[in-house]
Amino acid sequence: KQEVTQIPAALSVPEGENLVLNCSFTDSAIYNLQWFRQDPGKGLTSLLLIQSSQREQTSGRLNASLDKSSGRSTLYIAASQPGDSATYLCAAQNFGNEKLTFGTGTRLTIIP
Amino acid sequence: DTGVSQDPRHKITKRGQNVTFRCDPISEHNRLYWYRQTLGQGPEFLTYFQNEAQLEKSRLLSDRFSAERPKGSFSTLEIQRTEQGDSAMYLCASSLNGYEQYFGPGTRLTVT
Repeated sequence: KQEVTQIPAALSVPEGENLVLNCSFTDSAIYNLQWFRQDPGKGLTSLLLIQSSQREQTSGRLNASLDKSSGRSTLYIAASQPGDSATYLCAAQNFGNEKLTFGTGTRLTIIP
Repeated sequence: DTGVSQDPRHKITKRGQNVTFRCDPISEHNRLYWYRQTLGQGPEFLTYFQNEAQLEKSRLLSDRFSAERPKGSFSTLEIQRTEQGDSAMYLCASSLNGYEQYFGPGTRLTVT
């Protein structure tokens, strides 16, 4: 059974700093891993998807990496801005199974 | 923008009442998923459809819950005899052939 963990649960960072969010998973037989952003009381916005054959994906100031052997993914945010404040969730999809298994998220606060 | 839409966005109901939520997926997507998210937790998978066929149901989906996707387009999730423990955000997502999942804004259910 896949289990996904995100530590820390909350993180506060001054504006302009680069930061890394962590995601770990127990079953390395993943098909892909997605990173999402969730604003309070809202739905999920897909940020990046990394397929199992890929090592990383980039979109603007965001870079996500995947290391299946160690069961880890990271989301790197460059030059953080107050608008980046949100909860960031990672989710793993295993081969042969379409459901996403989510972590509990990291609540990020960027301090102006 | 023709993203995933959900209706209603908020629902307050009394314990014991039945409620029904609707999800309209992205038009060309053949997969539709339902998740439930409680406060401070990541979304948990409930069920998913490939076209009109319901292919997987989580054990979280008790017999008070039923989901349909007639004609393979929109989907409905009904909860009968609601309980306070059903209070949560109900999220719908869709994908093309099980690849990247795109989420709607969610329906927040409060059972009083």
